[in-house]
Amino acid sequence: DAKTTQPPSMDCAEGRAANLPCNHSTISGNEYVYWYRQIHSQGPQYIIHGLKNNETNEMASLIITEDRKSSTLILPHATLRDTAVYYCIAVSNDYKLSFGAGTTVTVRA
Amino acid sequence: ETGVTQSPTHLIKTRGQQVTLRCSSQSGHNTVSWYQQALGQGPQFIFQYYREEENGRGNFPPRFSGLQFPNYSSELNVNALELDDSALYLCASSLMARSGNTIYFGEGSWLTVV
Repeated sequence: DAKTTQPPSMDCAEGRAANLPCNHSTISGNEYVYWYRQIHSQGPQYIIHGLKNNETNEMASLIITEDRKSSTLILPHATLRDTAVYYCIAVSNDYKLSFGAGTTVTVRA
Repeated sequence: ETGVTQSPTHLIKTRGQQVTLRCSSQSGHNTVSWYQQALGQGPQFIFQYYREEENGRGNFPPRFSGLQFPNYSSELNVNALELDDSALYLCASSLMARSGNTIYFGEGSWLTVV
């Protein structure tokens, strides 16, 4: 599976949009981009995934560039409960996830 | 709720003992993967089971073994426990009928080896 690169940390203000970037320049055509987050001591929580079209659900939006080499997860109105480690993962049809270090997001009041 | 349940949630074992962790996958999911997450690290892939057969393995020794049952629930067994086996063990379930399906995790089992 393609390697992904994320910034190690970022801060955002409560109530503002949080934009989390992810680079996956070697992603192959059949690999989806999945996003998870993990709050301390809990299992990873599924957020969203996509192949090439932008996706939106009740939690977030996923914007994938046309060349698919990068993507951005958007949390539209960050709350304190969104403080977590966010993982961007490229997943092929074998469904085996290779987690990197993720981005530690801290939402500040 | 993900529909993936794991048991036990916490347990303490002594070095050299054996442990069995259990996972009930989401209804209809035919694939279960197990991950180990040491403190401060991201989850690491242990192995995957698809329709009761092992379908890929990460860099873990043979004392880590598993089973998947006809109802697609699964067990992770670890023999000859070592102190470094202390970790959060995560189970993830998915439906491997086509690519792009959602993969859900359970809340994990915390194992402490003393």
